Amino acid sequence: DQQVKQNSPSLSVQEGRISILNCDYTNSMFDYFLWYKKYPAEGPTFLISISSIKDKNEDGRFTVFLNKSAKHLSLHIVPSQPGDSAVYFCAFSGNTPLVFGKGTRLSVIA
Amino acid sequence: GAGVSQSPRYKVAKRGQDVALRCDPISGHVSLFWYQQALGQGPEFLTYFQNEAQLDKSGLPSDRFFAERPEGSVSTLKIQRTQQEDSAVYLCASSLVAGMENEKLFFGSGTQLSVL
Repeated sequence: DQQVKQNSPSLSVQEGRISILNCDYTNSMFDYFLWYKKYPAEGPTFLISISSIKDKNEDGRFTVFLNKSAKHLSLHIVPSQPGDSAVYFCAFSGNTPLVFGKGTRLSVIA
Repeated sequence: GAGVSQSPRYKVAKRGQDVALRCDPISGHVSLFWYQQALGQGPEFLTYFQNEAQLDKSGLPSDRFFAERPEGSVSTLKIQRTQQEDSAVYLCASSLVAGMENEKLFFGSGTQLSVL
């Protein structure tokens, strides 16, 4: 069974606009929620996280939102920059090793 | 180096061949994870070490997969009698913090295995 769903395999956004990436999950035991970013030929790198007791966490241009009742996680990037072009994975933790989504490829067009 | 190092970067194997993939974690990192990433998929957990102890190997897909970390630093993932379905990127990650419920992992660049 698929515990994590990233339904958009790709997203294109104009430079300077907002990028919104989404994830849905089914496992209620998840209590820590993360986003990782991956450039080609590199491993994923940690970007931002949020615990289950919060609904928003902000770090510069990046904001993560958690809606526990809807089991929905999102990442907002504003303003988007060409260097943000990468694959973004949501990841979830809760008494288990990290469970990753399939990823969304973000392309920021100059 | 400062990061997690994996070798080889690429490995091409004939079906039935044994392969060994190496991971050098960040010095002093207690936790070490192996993940498998198939094309178009996210990383999937294979196994977890805390120092030299393999505490979880529930993600290993078959008994052809074997991992070790004998001195609590370098780890090797061995795949015996490789099959085409083993073709994937194998990622190693480490963390300073002990525990499987580890959030902030540092990943290597991976080994891309192609089985022909």
